[in-house]
Amino acid sequence: ELKVEQNPLFLSMQEGKNYTIYCNYSTTSDRLYWYRQDPGKSLESLFVLLSNGAVKQEGRLMASLDTKARLSTLHITAAVHDLSATYFCAGDGDNTDKLIFGTGTRLQVFP
Amino acid sequence: SQTIHQWPATLVQPVGSPLSLECTVEGTSNPNLYWYRQAAGRGLQLLFYSVGIGQISSEVPQNLSASRPQDRQFILSSKKLLLSDSGFYLCAWVTLGTGGNTIYFGEGSWLTVV
Repeated sequence: ELKVEQNPLFLSMQEGKNYTIYCNYSTTSDRLYWYRQDPGKSLESLFVLLSNGAVKQEGRLMASLDTKARLSTLHITAAVHDLSATYFCAGDGDNTDKLIFGTGTRLQVFP
Repeated sequence: SQTIHQWPATLVQPVGSPLSLECTVEGTSNPNLYWYRQAAGRGLQLLFYSVGIGQISSEVPQNLSASRPQDRQFILSSKKLLLSDSGFYLCAWVTLGTGGNTIYFGEGSWLTVV
């Protein structure tokens, strides 16, 4: 069964800095998803990555997928306080009926 | 338009009491429906999913149960709550497509068992 692991679990970084969140998954997963969760709120979809080598960018966030390495990354460029949230990756493995989520990375951006 | 609602938003219940969380979807038919739980400071754990009326798949053995009495209604229940049942419960609806699955989450229900 698919297992999804993220690191780091917690990330505190200064505004203006860059950093990458990593998402490793255990078995084949043709699709990889990234979500954002603000404290006490539901999840908001950020990216859907469909194929090997896929790269998507929205503002200061860029996500990529390497299906051979079973790795997805979420890169943060020039962080700002508004990016403070918890970020989850998820995969559907070989069963498109369900999504399995990683543990989440809690990001805190300070001045 | 397609929407998903769940309620109640917040509840505090004593150990041993029953639970019922309800989720409904509008604007679609025969959706795949899911219940996730997020314990404080933790990731999302898939509890149940349903691909149709009366069809429930359980992911984690526990004292919770789910039912799907109607096409667009998904209910999470317990006969006797435990302290460990506290958490943030999210209902979700997934549309399947070749362009990737799209998952819509409800607003969430905060459950505190005391």
